[in-house]
Amino acid sequence: GNSVTQMEGPVTLSEEAFLTINCTYTATGYPSLFWYVQYPGEGLQLLLKATKADDKGSNKGFEATYRKETTSFHLEKGSVQVSDSAVYFCALISRNYGQNFVFGPGTRLSVLP
Amino acid sequence: DVKVTQSSRYLVKRTGEKVFLECVQDMDHENMFWYRQDPGLGLRLIYFSYDVKMKEKGDIPEGYSVSREKKERFSLILESASTNQTSMYLCATDLGSTTDTQYFGPGTRLTVL
Repeated sequence: GNSVTQMEGPVTLSEEAFLTINCTYTATGYPSLFWYVQYPGEGLQLLLKATKADDKGSNKGFEATYRKETTSFHLEKGSVQVSDSAVYFCALISRNYGQNFVFGPGTRLSVLP
Repeated sequence: DVKVTQSSRYLVKRTGEKVFLECVQDMDHENMFWYRQDPGLGLRLIYFSYDVKMKEKGDIPEGYSVSREKKERFSLILESASTNQTSMYLCATDLGSTTDTQYFGPGTRLTVL
């Protein structure tokens, strides 16, 4: 079945550091890929998405590129802020094959001032 | 903006009690989902519904049931709560298209004593 693997956390960075959170996937067909973010005490909210190979999703300084050849969708940000401290989930969906969303285990990011 | 609300943010129940968690969405979405979120396990799908009075089992339906009598409302029922059902419960909705985003409620943190 479909699956998503994320790098283990927690990740602790200093403010203005470069962030990479790795995500790889296994899926039937041509999935759409997503990054969701969960701030403390809240539900998940969409951060960015990409629907086909080589698409780049971007939002709030975060970027991720859909790489079909390496089945990856790594999240990056050039300069993190304390307010970026949250849990980040990589996810996919392949509806053409009757699948629901599949989420990775989440990566907790802590940014220190 | 899509709004997904959940009946309680925090809930404490005793073992053996019947527990109702309610989710309401205001965007006329067809699909509704219940997940539980546990540390290191990410989100796991309990039940979902693609239409009124329709329900499908997700990956971990044991010990749970659901009800969808109206399009906007999706209830999760713990017939006889147990301590291993202590968790964060998240409701989500989407339109059901190939690339659509899931929208999440704020979550209910349930503790079963």
